[in-house]
Amino acid sequence: DSGVTQTPKHLITATGQRVTLRCSPRSGDLSVYWYQQSLDQGLQFLIQYYNGEERAKGNILERFSAQQFPDLHSELNLSSLELGDSALYFCASSALIGTNTDTQYFGPGTRLTVL
Amino acid sequence: EDKVVQSPLSLVVHEGDTVTLNCSYEVTNFRSLLWYKQEKKAPTFLFMLTSSGIEKKSGRLSSILDKKELFSILNITATQTGDSAVYLCAVYSGGSNYKLTFGKGTLLTVNP
Repeated sequence: DSGVTQTPKHLITATGQRVTLRCSPRSGDLSVYWYQQSLDQGLQFLIQYYNGEERAKGNILERFSAQQFPDLHSELNLSSLELGDSALYFCASSALIGTNTDTQYFGPGTRLTVL
Repeated sequence: EDKVVQSPLSLVVHEGDTVTLNCSYEVTNFRSLLWYKQEKKAPTFLFMLTSSGIEKKSGRLSSILDKKELFSILNITATQTGDSAVYLCAVYSGGSNYKLTFGKGTLLTVNP
């Protein structure tokens, strides 16, 4: 158990809908990362927050947005869902800002299925 | 565009064999390289490498980085069936805006 929690575990929804994925980092960790893992694309970095501020942006679509709240939990919002958004979404946390000496710990993931 | 390439894509060995997994990268402003193991769940951290030529070791696993030739290897000796997993390589890069780029992974299957 990494100490990172994600809810829900599974989510099934229809195209065009909007969903929110939630992540609670390990106690004391200030950085939260979101990743998407699909069969054809592998693991893709989406976005990172550090202490409430956006820190780095990867391959995140405009239909997706995220935020980190004062209690450090984070939410990833996915809107206008398409079939291709079906994937496993991981959250990870790290203690620091994400430097070259910082280890990320992954949550168990949320499996999103868009029908 | 930053790129991380792992080889082989898939590998099947017998218990007791030694395997070497490769990771090469082309990134702007390299910071560090990480290895993860992923079974049927979330990735778990194995090693972080920042300096060339210094081997990191944990039990039967070891890894080394070559910053001149832009690659890293992950060695697993005396493999066990529990080593069966996807091994992911990722590279931190960037200046003020860090980015983490993953390779597609190597699927290792260890048969009894």
